[in-house]
Amino acid sequence: GENVEQHPSTLSVQEGDSAVIKCTYSDSASNYFPWYKQELGKGPQLIIDIRSNVGEKKDQRIAVTLNKTAKHFSLHITETQPEDSAVYFCAASEGGGSYIPTFGRGTSLIVHP
Amino acid sequence: DVKVTQSSRYLVKRTGEKVFLECVQDMDHENMFWYRQDPGLGLRLIYFSYDVKMKEKGDIPEGYSVSREKKERFSLILESASTNQTSMYLCASSSSWRGPIGSTEAFFGQGTRLTVV
Repeated sequence: GENVEQHPSTLSVQEGDSAVIKCTYSDSASNYFPWYKQELGKGPQLIIDIRSNVGEKKDQRIAVTLNKTAKHFSLHITETQPEDSAVYFCAASEGGGSYIPTFGRGTSLIVHP
Repeated sequence: DVKVTQSSRYLVKRTGEKVFLECVQDMDHENMFWYRQDPGLGLRLIYFSYDVKMKEKGDIPEGYSVSREKKERFSLILESASTNQTSMYLCASSSSWRGPIGSTEAFFGQGTRLTVV
């Protein structure tokens, strides 16, 4: 089955800095890579996703890059703000009708004002 | 606004009790999932379901069972709760319909924090 590794487990930055979270996956059949943000006391919520036919996707201050050859994908947050503090999960799946995401272990991002 | 609702935010149960965690979604999704979340271990899949009365084991099914009698409802059952089942439980749902862009986003409930004493 799929195995997703996520690093770092904890990331501490100053407000305004950039943050990068990296994930690797093992199954070359995976073609859908979502990122979820989990705020304290809430369930994870999708913030951005990318498919295997695209190398990069941006949405305001967040971007995701995908390297299919190396089987890794990354989340980039620019101009971080305190409200970006949360746990972030990457996931990978085949994206088909029986979508079953395999999640990384999560990164706790702390943005210091 | 799409919704996945878990019946309880916090539960405290005694060892050996039978525990029911309920999840309801209002998006007419075919797929439903139960995950367990523990610090440092991420989200681990317990069971999932593709359709009514259908269930498949995930990565950590031992000690759990599930029921899906209606499309919108997916229940997780702890047959005899044990202290090592103290955890955060997350329910999620997703559509099997891929659409023009193949979206398969999973929508999560707010979680149930279960403590077994």
